Amino acid sequence: LAKTTQPISMDSYEGQEVNITCSHNNIATNDYITWYQQFPSQGPRFIIQGYKTKVTNEVASLFIPADRKSSTLSLPRVSLSDTAVYYCLVGVGNQGGKLIFGQGTELSVKP
Amino acid sequence: DTGVSQNPRHKITKRGQNVTFRCDPISEHNRLYWYRQTLGQGPEFLTYFQNEAQLEKSRLLSDRFSAERPKGSFSTLEIQRTEQGDSAMYLCASSLLSDTQYFGPGTRLTVL
Repeated sequence: LAKTTQPISMDSYEGQEVNITCSHNNIATNDYITWYQQFPSQGPRFIIQGYKTKVTNEVASLFIPADRKSSTLSLPRVSLSDTAVYYCLVGVGNQGGKLIFGQGTELSVKP
Repeated sequence: DTGVSQNPRHKITKRGQNVTFRCDPISEHNRLYWYRQTLGQGPEFLTYFQNEAQLEKSRLLSDRFSAERPKGSFSTLEIQRTEQGDSAMYLCASSLLSDTQYFGPGTRLTVL
């Protein structure tokens, strides 16, 4: 199972772009990369998923280089409400269905 | 609201008591998952169902824990003889086969 490494915490200010990078050196050929967001006392919320290159939705962008050994979640113009923990997961759907979460990145957005 | 729902949202119990949590998945989702999350950690997988069948159980799921999904719709998670170490957030998620998992709000259990 691919292991992920991401920063424990990050600070930002309102209106800035935030990039959270996740390393997954042992990613398998058929693994997808998925990011979840979690607010305190709530369940994780799906943000974005990709396999290679770039994926963009109304919330974020996901950049995946050609070797797929890392990925970067980009949050444009963050606001205070983006303060949350962000989890990077790989291998979704290839582990008997279960998701393997790491510790995540705690993003703090300041005014 | 057509998302995943969980009840109760909070449960406080005394050590040694039994507790049961319920999860109602998104309709037509055939997979249902249970996770446990302790403070400062990411969610940990406990078990999952495809329709009525329980397909996998984590070793975290001791014999005091039992989960059911009798009609392939809602699911219950029971913890017998609760211990203080069982205090955690219990999360339920559902998906259509191996597609994206959508999580409920969780049930926070406090064992005194």
